[in-house]
Amino acid sequence: GEDVEQSLFLSVREGDSSVINCTYTDSSSTYLYWYKQEPGAGLQLLTYIFSNMDMKQDQRLTVLLNKKDKHLSLRIADTQTGDSAIYFCAESLNTGFQKLVFGTGTRLLVSP
Amino acid sequence: DGGITQSPKYLFRKEGQNVTLSCEQNLNHDAMYWYRQDPGQGLRLIYYSQIVNDFQKGDIAEGYSVSREKKESFPLTVTSAQKNPTAFYLCASSGVMGVGENEQFFGPGTRLTVL
Repeated sequence: GEDVEQSLFLSVREGDSSVINCTYTDSSSTYLYWYKQEPGAGLQLLTYIFSNMDMKQDQRLTVLLNKKDKHLSLRIADTQTGDSAIYFCAESLNTGFQKLVFGTGTRLLVSP
Repeated sequence: DGGITQSPKYLFRKEGQNVTLSCEQNLNHDAMYWYRQDPGQGLRLIYYSQIVNDFQKGDIAEGYSVSREKKESFPLTVTSAQKNPTAFYLCASSGVMGVGENEQFFGPGTRLTVL
């Protein structure tokens, strides 16, 4: 079945690292994505990782993929108050069109 | 600037009325999507279209209808048959299937409230 799970809430202090975790179920997923949603806005793609990679780094963002455990994480280094938002992971299913299955989202709160 | 626009940003509707949400993109994308977002939940796919004049039901299509007469436009109608229409609606588009990572670009959303 299709199910992507995330913890609902994470609170960190400014300057600390944040780690947001995600588990997915479909082992045939080709791409895995991290999106950011600010209040009342649409989703913005932060980064993605292809399923044959273990890690991807993009400035302050590091994505780790453990295919064996179907576990994906997003690490944000030096977290800033502007990083406060909801973060969604999504898996791209191999269905003949790009169906994305989204997690429930993790609300990140960064305090000064 | 290329992007996706949705209008209106806020929409209020009386029970029993149909309402149409607009979605326009100038990214020259073939595929377009409609999602529904409820508090504390992820996005759920309502309808999608891979090409003009063709569209398919997603996971929660009941009570909704769409059309795709132009590449740039994919309006969503929320009908009176939709039992719980109050939600945040997001439109997205993506490029040709099978090419690259096929990122989905999202519009700013429309918040629909049924009074």
